[in-house]
Amino acid sequence: DIQMTQSPSSLSASVGDRVTITCRASQGISNSLAWYQQKPGKAPKLLLYAASRLESGVPSRFSGSGSGTDYTLTISSLQPEDFATYYCQQYYSTQYTFGQGTKLEIK
Amino acid sequence: EVQLVESGGGLVQPGGSLRLSCAASGFTFSSYWMSWVRQAPGKGLEWVANIKQDGSEKYYVDSVKGRFTISRDNAKNSLYLQMNSLRAEDTAVYYCARSSGWYDYWGQGTLVTVSS
Repeated sequence: DIQMTQSPSSLSASVGDRVTITCRASQGISNSLAWYQQKPGKAPKLLLYAASRLESGVPSRFSGSGSGTDYTLTISSLQPEDFATYYCQQYYSTQYTFGQGTKLEIK
Repeated sequence: EVQLVESGGGLVQPGGSLRLSCAASGFTFSSYWMSWVRQAPGKGLEWVANIKQDGSEKYYVDSVKGRFTISRDNAKNSLYLQMNSLRAEDTAVYYCARSSGWYDYWGQGTLVTVSS
């Protein structure tokens, strides 16, 4: 199975800050990576797929990059509605896996 | 509008069985892989199972192999998860999701609690 390791597991930041979340795969996944945002009591929301493609309707302050085993999600200027938990997910193998999540909290 | 609506969750004793259903609408159900993803209370997301458009391929996380069965009925636009030999660690909200590899649509989830 491909293991996905996210860092950090939690992060405190302020409105307007630029934040980066990292996801590392245990083997190369050829950009087969998605990012999700989840708020308490709600289903996850797709932000990006194919490592860097922005889902329709998602603000452009969200961006993704990376290759091979290492990928990043960047939020260029945090907004109040961005405080949530973020997950990466690989779909390179037939057994999909998620990272453990990064909780983004208000400083 | 794409909608996925899960049902069938509830309280079940360890060793028991439960069948979850997911009713899909607003898209051509038979054109998409579908998945079940779960989330234990206070924990992260865990992929559970995938099924191909025609049901010919199915994949499972190791922890449910031999106990859970994913299936679909394209005529009824429905996805199912038969869960047998349930354990306390299967307690979670179970989501169905439309898959293109990534998940662009999710249901609201149904809670399964395994407890005596």
